Amino acid sequence: ILNVEQSPQSLHVQEGDSTNFTCSFPSSNFYALHWYRWETAKSPEALFVMTLNGDEKKKGRISATLNTKEGYSYLYIKGSQPEDSATYLCALNTGTASKLTFGTGTRLQVTL
Amino acid sequence: EAQVTQNPRYLITVTGKKLTVTCSQNMNHEYMSWYRQDPGLGLRQIYYSMNVEVTDKGDVPEGYKVSRKEKRNFPLILESPSPNQTSLYFCASSLSIGLRGKTYNEQFFGPGTRLTVL
Repeated sequence: ILNVEQSPQSLHVQEGDSTNFTCSFPSSNFYALHWYRWETAKSPEALFVMTLNGDEKKKGRISATLNTKEGYSYLYIKGSQPEDSATYLCALNTGTASKLTFGTGTRLQVTL
Repeated sequence: EAQVTQNPRYLITVTGKKLTVTCSQNMNHEYMSWYRQDPGLGLRQIYYSMNVEVTDKGDVPEGYKVSRKEKRNFPLILESPSPNQTSLYFCASSLSIGLRGKTYNEQFFGPGTRLTVL
């Protein structure tokens, strides 16, 4: 089973702080990397799907970068707000590209 | 409204009693998938389907069956549930995924089914 690692496991920041977390993965047979946001008692919602080395994507205060050669992606949140509190999941298509393997997530808590 | 629906949302059952969790999407998506979520383990893929009559195993298929007779539906079948299948289950769909030359699309998740097997 493919190993997709996310760090840190959890993070507690104050409103207004900027933060980032990491998704690490084997760089061989890479096809695509997904980021999802998962609020408690809801379903995961897609943030980004990235396929190209060097790709950068942005949605509001959230952005992501991708390095397929070294096997990592960063997710950045600028000026965190309490509504950003959620678990952020990354997932990988590699090898048998139709399969999707998720990391265990980074749980973000933003307090006032 | 574009959505993925799952039924039931909550189910408590006993060991060995066959059950089916339904999943339906109204977005004409080709790709559908089932995941289970367990504490500390993240979402793990059970089965996926590239299109009608095309299904394949994910990382944790043991004890589960699926079928894809129609594009919109992808039921998950537990022929003889056991307590280790107690989990939160998600169905998801996307336009297409995983073929060379095709765009990799985001997945849309259903609301989840919380299953307890006693």
